[in-house]
Amino acid sequence: ETGVTQTPRHLVMGMTNKKSLKCEQHLGHNAMYWYKQSAKKPLELMFVYNFKEQTENNSVPSRFSPECPNSSHLFLHLHTLQPEDSALYLCASSQAGLVAGAGKYNEQFFGPGTRLTVL
Amino acid sequence: LAKTTQPISMDSYEGQEVNITCSHNNIATNDYITWYQQFPSQGPRFIIQGYKTKVTNEVASLFIPADRKSSTLSLPRVSLSDTAVYYCLVQGGKLIFGQGTELSVKP
Repeated sequence: ETGVTQTPRHLVMGMTNKKSLKCEQHLGHNAMYWYKQSAKKPLELMFVYNFKEQTENNSVPSRFSPECPNSSHLFLHLHTLQPEDSALYLCASSQAGLVAGAGKYNEQFFGPGTRLTVL
Repeated sequence: LAKTTQPISMDSYEGQEVNITCSHNNIATNDYITWYQQFPSQGPRFIIQGYKTKVTNEVASLFIPADRKSSTLSLPRVSLSDTAVYYCLVQGGKLIFGQGTELSVKP
């Protein structure tokens, strides 16, 4: 399998549930990202991992908990979500992390996303 | 902190050239400008990237003036399948996506 894959593609959960989103990249990249995209809104960067270390957390609520066990896998653990958390969650990877002047080395390769609905 | 501004929407007809301009007044010296295309319920896809002057690939051209405070994505001879949202991204130490331009191509 090539590129960036995400599972599940669709997820419906109640506010008291605990679920996890999974992302896997087969590109040999060193950096991975989680984005949230709500309807008619631009992409919001949530977390950045570079060489398995979290380098960016854009004030994301603690009900979203990321995990990066290695450079190829990224998880987003979800618990006690709110209906306003319903959105498309996108994973991306790049060869380099958020490094100024990296140019093509931080070109983002996106997965297809997980459509999350919180009831 | 660089912020990008681009038109919310644009309409075009098949076969026309489409130019979408993005403003990024506070771009940093080491920042690159990247454009992505996104179809509904899919992840964005890289189109083109540049630092200055002009860059061309098989699908688009990117024009960046000397002051780098704006950039223009040029799509030659668009087709119906080019209907999508186009994002301008200033890439460097921070990732800042614009709000996207919804391009609608009509027959």
